[in-house]
Amino acid sequence: EDKVVQSPLSLVVHEGDTVTLNCSYEVTNFRSLLWYKQEKKAPTFLFMLTSSGIEKKSGRLSSILDKKELFSILNITATQTGDSAVYLCAVVMNYGGATNKLIFGTGTLLAVQP
Amino acid sequence: SAVISQKPSRDICQRGTSLTIQCQVDSQVTMMFWYRQQPGQSLTLIATANQGSEATYESGFVIDKFPISRPNLTFSTLTVSNMSPEDSSIYLCSVGEGAAYGYTFGSGTRLTVV
Repeated sequence: EDKVVQSPLSLVVHEGDTVTLNCSYEVTNFRSLLWYKQEKKAPTFLFMLTSSGIEKKSGRLSSILDKKELFSILNITATQTGDSAVYLCAVVMNYGGATNKLIFGTGTLLAVQP
Repeated sequence: SAVISQKPSRDICQRGTSLTIQCQVDSQVTMMFWYRQQPGQSLTLIATANQGSEATYESGFVIDKFPISRPNLTFSTLTVSNMSPEDSSIYLCSVGEGAAYGYTFGSGTRLTVV
C-alpha cells in the first residue's frame, strides 16, 4: 500500500529555534515530493523535490530528498510565530499514462511560541 | 502560478441535502483534482476530473455520492450528495503546474453538516 508518513505529528518550539520535519514514503512509480504549508484551508506550495541530494532553499526554509532511503526533511531556521502551521508532505506518483496523483502525509503541526 | 477561485468558502447544510462546490481556474488545465480533508486529518484524493470524460474516482469514493462535472478546461464542480454529518470536511480543488509551483489549491470549502 502506498503511504507517506510524517514525524513528529506535532511540535512546539520557541521563536529563534531551528526545526527539522521528517517525511518518509513508500510508493510505486515515484515522481516527486512536495512540501506545503497549511495555515487555514488551502495548502500553499513550498518546494518540489525530484532529485536526491539537491537542496532547495527559500529564505529560512530548506528541504532535501533522499531517494535511496525514501525520505525528505524540511528545515526551518530562526523560527517565527508566523511559521506556526501544519506542514504537509505529499508524494506525486504515476498511476498510468500521463496521470499523476498526490498522496499526502499526516502532517506536522508546528507551534512557534514567542 | 494559476489562480483558482473556489466557492462557497463555507456552508452549513442540513443532512440529506446536497451542496455543489465550484472551482474556476484563470488558465486552461487538463486535469483538476478534488480532495477532502476531514477534521484533524490530512488530504485525501476524491477524484481526478478530465475535461470531456468521466471523472476517475479513488477507492472509497463513488460517483453517486460525489458527482463531478468538468464542462471545459477552466471549470469544475463537485457535488456532495445526500449529506450526513460524516461529510463535514474541508473540500479542495487543485491543478498541477509542474516543478515551479507544484500543485496549486483553491481556497477551500469548509462544509458543516448538521
